[in-house]
Amino acid sequence: QVQLVQSGAEVKKPGVSVKVSCKASGYTFTSSYLHWVRQAPGQGLEWMGMINPSGGSTRYAQKFQGSFTMTRDTSTSTVYMELSSLRSDDTAVYYCAREISGLYYFDYWGQGTLVTVSS
Amino acid sequence: QSALTQPASVSGSPGQSITISCTGTSSDVGGYNYVSWYQQHPGKAPKLMICDVSNRPSGVSSRFSGSKSGNTASLTISGLQAEDEADYYCSSYTSSNTRVFGGGTKLTVL
Repeated sequence: QVQLVQSGAEVKKPGVSVKVSCKASGYTFTSSYLHWVRQAPGQGLEWMGMINPSGGSTRYAQKFQGSFTMTRDTSTSTVYMELSSLRSDDTAVYYCAREISGLYYFDYWGQGTLVTVSS
Repeated sequence: QSALTQPASVSGSPGQSITISCTGTSSDVGGYNYVSWYQQHPGKAPKLMICDVSNRPSGVSSRFSGSKSGNTASLTISGLQAEDEADYYCSSYTSSNTRVFGGGTKLTVL
């Protein structure tokens, strides 16, 4: 069965970076895009970006260009997201979600990773 | 890319029907039949309820249906049940090959 398992919660100080992983299983890793979506406390869902695990190409929301990087490791079927220069308003739950190539919806989601930015 | 517009809250009594709207532009909702809807219970990951405007994934109750007219998509839940109480989000593909979510709607079952 398809599973997306994310790394554990992080507590970071303002100005540093955080890297969160999402390990995929149960399907062919290179057949689907993986996206990152975040949700600040009490707020809605916000799309951050996507990666094509097949070639590694990425596309980011304009808001996150320059501070956000997605990478993948095909040997372990894992995608990573790194957010730099953290601020307190980056405190959120970060989700990875799968989108089958050619289909424009998220059919499987990770369990979420809470990133807390606090001095 | 601005978020799609959803009402902040809707409510209904058990057995009734409710509709949640999701308004975008011709560059997202109006331009493509790639609107999806997600249900999120507190502390849980979102769950896909409707894809491609009106298609229900396997396992999703037939009480959930979707439609679109122009730049506005809608999610209708009929025969409301207590377990339908949750937050609902729409999402759309965009002309920039990005994705965008609505602000979310809190459904209260009275």
